[in-house]
Amino acid sequence: AQSVTQLGSHVSVSEGALVLLRCNYSSSVPPYLFWYVQYPNQGLQLLLKYTSAATLVKGINGFEAEFKKSETSFHLTKPSAHMSDAAEYFCAVTRNSGYSTLTFGKGTMLLVSP
Amino acid sequence: DAGVTQSPTHLIKTRGQHVTLRCSPISGHKSVSWYQQVLGQGPQFIFQYYEKEERGRGNFPDRFSARQFPNYSSELNVNALLLGDSALYLCASSLAPGDPTNYGYTFGSGTRLTVV
Repeated sequence: AQSVTQLGSHVSVSEGALVLLRCNYSSSVPPYLFWYVQYPNQGLQLLLKYTSAATLVKGINGFEAEFKKSETSFHLTKPSAHMSDAAEYFCAVTRNSGYSTLTFGKGTMLLVSP
Repeated sequence: DAGVTQSPTHLIKTRGQHVTLRCSPISGHKSVSWYQQVLGQGPQFIFQYYEKEERGRGNFPDRFSARQFPNYSSELNVNALLLGDSALYLCASSLAPGDPTNYGYTFGSGTRLTVV
């Protein structure tokens, strides 16, 4: 079984500040990990994915995440927040074989203040 | 290129009614998955179809059913609607299941179902 825990249902930052959204996973097999972003009344957009290549993954819009097996973590960061980053962010895990499906965390709402 | 298209975008139904949601995958994608996203939660897996066959099913009651057509589009059907079925229903397409490394999952904008 696989699961994802996102710490903090809401994270508030000021524009220009560091963004850090936390994700811890549980998986009995080597995982693939994803971060998705959801803007109001929209679907999910893929930010980045870890698929057992480089542990530091760079995504769109300046986001990146580092896979740390020893900590079972896949935290999302961005050096400088923009107002346009305000959205809900979901971490997801899947296994790297078979007819695997995505298991999502509960999401973290990122609030950016001027 | 068109992305994943879902219809309708919004829907209001009464308890006990039946609903059909539709999804057209990206051209060339053969796998479609359905997810339910209740307000304030992450998406929950409902079904996965590949080449018109059901390949996976989440922990949902038999009131939920789906099918995939020869053109790879898909329908999600929900019978005997309950208030708790109110949610955003998301469709995701991929070239093939089980290999997100190369193909990934592309989501549609969803259908917002409200049951009153």
